[in-house]
Amino acid sequence: NAGVTQTPKFRVLKTGQSMTLLCAQDMNHEYMYWYRQDPGMGLRLIHYSVGEGTTAKGEVPDGYNVSRLKKQNFLLGLESAAPSQTSVYFCASSYTARRTDTQYFGPGTRLTVL
Amino acid sequence: SQQGEEDPQALSIQEGENATMNCSYKTSINNLQWYRQNSGRGLVHLILIRSNEREKHSGRLRVTLDTSKKSSSLLITASRAADTASYFCATDGGGSYIPTFGRGTSLIVHP
Repeated sequence: NAGVTQTPKFRVLKTGQSMTLLCAQDMNHEYMYWYRQDPGMGLRLIHYSVGEGTTAKGEVPDGYNVSRLKKQNFLLGLESAAPSQTSVYFCASSYTARRTDTQYFGPGTRLTVL
Repeated sequence: SQQGEEDPQALSIQEGENATMNCSYKTSINNLQWYRQNSGRGLVHLILIRSNEREKHSGRLRVTLDTSKKSSSLLITASRAADTASYFCATDGGGSYIPTFGRGTSLIVHP
């Protein structure tokens, strides 16, 4: 049982390049989330999904797109990376969000945009 | 905007001492959770306290919740070097059960 995994662990991009971060969970969770963590800012929600084929915007969605084609996977895309998107990105999942539920986090992806 | 705010931002103690960190929030909540993050890792859930509970224990952890003051505290007793980590409170409310995380308290426990 791997829990929540993220690919890649590290990435360096040049401004304007695109990339996709992959999150996978093997716990059959309905809900999945993408956060970014910046120094002194805590975690901020980018996008989330309440089930296969659904996505919704979080607190800081601009510059990102997401897709959830399969229940176990949640992809985060950067179409044209900007230095302001330099951050550590965390994926999380929970069984439900119809009540308070534990979130399970991946190990993170450290992204640097030059 | 972030719901919970932890205090202090940083805490440095000796092994064996108790560590107390606080979380304050602005609007009514459903429940409050505490998470721990070791350096370079993802967050790990520690404890959940419901809005109708006042105190909860889990091993060396004690969490209190005062909804009248809109605040919570996390007490780690007899701290160990392995407790060195950042601690975050997460609250949900306003019709949503998706938690909002604070900025965290960085705890360093010196051996």
